[in-house]
Amino acid sequence: GAVVSQHPSRVICKSGTSVKIECRSLDFQATTMFWYRQFPKKSLMLMATSNEGSKATYEQGVEKDKFLINHASLTLSTLTVTSAHPEDSSFYICSALNLAGVSYNEQFFGPGTRLTVL
Amino acid sequence: AQSVTQPDIHITVSEGASLELRCNYSYGATPYLFWYVQSPGQGLQLLLKYFSGDTLVQGIKGFEAEFKRSQSSFNLRKPSVHWSDAAEYFCAFTDSWGKLQFGAGTQVVVTP
Repeated sequence: GAVVSQHPSRVICKSGTSVKIECRSLDFQATTMFWYRQFPKKSLMLMATSNEGSKATYEQGVEKDKFLINHASLTLSTLTVTSAHPEDSSFYICSALNLAGVSYNEQFFGPGTRLTVL
Repeated sequence: AQSVTQPDIHITVSEGASLELRCNYSYGATPYLFWYVQSPGQGLQLLLKYFSGDTLVQGIKGFEAEFKRSQSSFNLRKPSVHWSDAAEYFCAFTDSWGKLQFGAGTQVVVTP
């Protein structure tokens, strides 16, 4: 149980285009999801906290107009990188918070999405 | 300031040898502590977690970690490493509803 999927796993796009990444909790409801960015050989940097039915909370230094987050249902959050540029190339990982049962307060991570902007 | 520190960026260990990865945290109370493993190009897998209770925590893949409040540490150990344990390891803590703070990570290389 507690599986989180991400789609796509890899995406290559041209500079100036927008890219949408989906994060789904497959077997539990997640009122809260998180989006992270990871640079090569670096740790995960929290970008934003996504709460179902409300606006996302962005970490300091993260452009909310660049990284649009939507959490329209209890199992789906999306991250849209708008007008992508090469510096947005990175590994994006989502996680979903399970507030039920024995996994209380534990985040379950998706497999990540590799974004390359040409 | 709240933080988590992994002093070792890179560790090389021989297959079959023991492994210990260090993690120190800075927080005013007892945090929820986690160890995650990440293989190249993959997401994170939870190895173990500590919320309360027994300070020696058993995890998956033969890993264990010990919470030491006096040292603000949560070191990860494995008695005998396998080649498949080569990966990046992250210590993390959360102080509230799930917002994780990660250490910089320790890369483990396993030699034959």
